[in-house]
Amino acid sequence: QSVLTQPPSVSAAPGQKVTISCSGTSSNIGNNYVSWYQHLPGTAPKLLIYDNNERPSGIPDRFSGSKSGTSATLGITGLESGDEANYYCGAWDTSLTFMVFGGGTDLTVL
Amino acid sequence: VQLVESGGGLVQPGGSLRLSCAASGFTVNTNYMVWVRQGPGKGLEWVSVIYASGSINYAESVKDRFTISRDISKNMVYLEMNSLRAEDTAVYYCARGNWNYGYYFDYWGQGTLVTVSS
Repeated sequence: QSVLTQPPSVSAAPGQKVTISCSGTSSNIGNNYVSWYQHLPGTAPKLLIYDNNERPSGIPDRFSGSKSGTSATLGITGLESGDEANYYCGAWDTSLTFMVFGGGTDLTVL
Repeated sequence: VQLVESGGGLVQPGGSLRLSCAASGFTVNTNYMVWVRQGPGKGLEWVSVIYASGSINYAESVKDRFTISRDISKNMVYLEMNSLRAEDTAVYYCARGNWNYGYYFDYWGQGTLVTVSS
């Protein structure tokens, strides 16, 4: 069972917007920064968002991140078929002293 | 930056395996390096970290069984796994850690599969 909670799956049509939630506690999201990762099976996970809402170079601005209290959200606009993947949130956990992850959300572009 | 894992395979319960992570484009002692695994049908699970200082930490589930190390001359990171259990079956990823305001993993390898089964 993962420390952070994500919905198992989300779906939306091409061109639409989708949001993926990530819920934690004061030990992790509430007092630390959140990162988001995109993972296609058999490939290397890719960093999408760090420090709650910062995008690494090369990540399009269709991807955005936000945080409020003990929850975080990943937003993806202008959905494309290539966005179909598993998405994971992560945050440092001050009590556990390591990075914890959500269980992952499977995005389907209808 | 590139990370390439190797060393995975099929091993019997109680057996041992050593995973390797070859890094290029940076030196492994300038960042912290981590091992993260994904069991079948499961999410990502942090396993171990070695900091630039050389400090080390492990998840409780692998403490006293796994050992992380690095060879700066070869620019490699290793994960020595002993007393393997069925629940250690997973794809193991090597990742580079970074830090700005918070911790995050900015580069990952493609993973190496470890299967623990008789």
